[in-house]
Amino acid sequence: DTEVTQTPKHLVMGMTNKKSLKCEQHMGHRAMYWYKQKAKKPPELMFVYSYEKLSINESVPSRFSPECPNSSLLNLHLHALQPEDSALYLCASSQGQGGDPFYGYTFGSGTRLTVV
Amino acid sequence: GENVEQHPSTLSVQEGDSAVIKCTYSDSASNYFPWYKQELGKRPQLIIDIRSNVGEKKDQRIAVTLNKTAKHFSLHITETQPEDSAVYFCAARKYNFNKFYFGSGTKLNVKP
Repeated sequence: DTEVTQTPKHLVMGMTNKKSLKCEQHMGHRAMYWYKQKAKKPPELMFVYSYEKLSINESVPSRFSPECPNSSLLNLHLHALQPEDSALYLCASSQGQGGDPFYGYTFGSGTRLTVV
Repeated sequence: GENVEQHPSTLSVQEGDSAVIKCTYSDSASNYFPWYKQELGKRPQLIIDIRSNVGEKKDQRIAVTLNKTAKHFSLHITETQPEDSAVYFCAARKYNFNKFYFGSGTKLNVKP
């Protein structure tokens, strides 16, 4: 399995809703990432988990809450979002530190989030 | 931190022509440089990468060159085809560091 699977593919939520995005990989990768991508812009890093521990938080508002239950799963919990949070949310994974030092990402297909 | 600049922002070429996209980086400690292709509505996909101890790498119609002294690297696509139309992102990363710095992207349009 060489894929990163994200669910759901599309999500519409109100500003008072609570929802979660899910990401799964079975490549044995030990680093997992959440990125946010606006139209015609590069992906922006939000969080990095390395060996199931949060290693980077790019000053993301607390209405986004990541969780890494195990080495294969990554969740992003959403609460009280704003319309400007509407974007494509991409999960990615990589070998992480300790493996091949020259490693790229494998991205999931993303969740298209619309906040109304 | 690292700053990656990418040019041009848009590029239109005729089918069969070559396309070149250029990126510069600021941190001399960066040593891994991947290129991603993102088709409309799809995920970014790694198409080629280069390590700092290599000056050039080629994979069929795609090649990447790296000039460490000048801190720039370029993507070259030869014999372009309409299916090459997409947004291309360059990126840079330091050794064993879990953060990639992306360029702003180049929208390539290959006209049949």
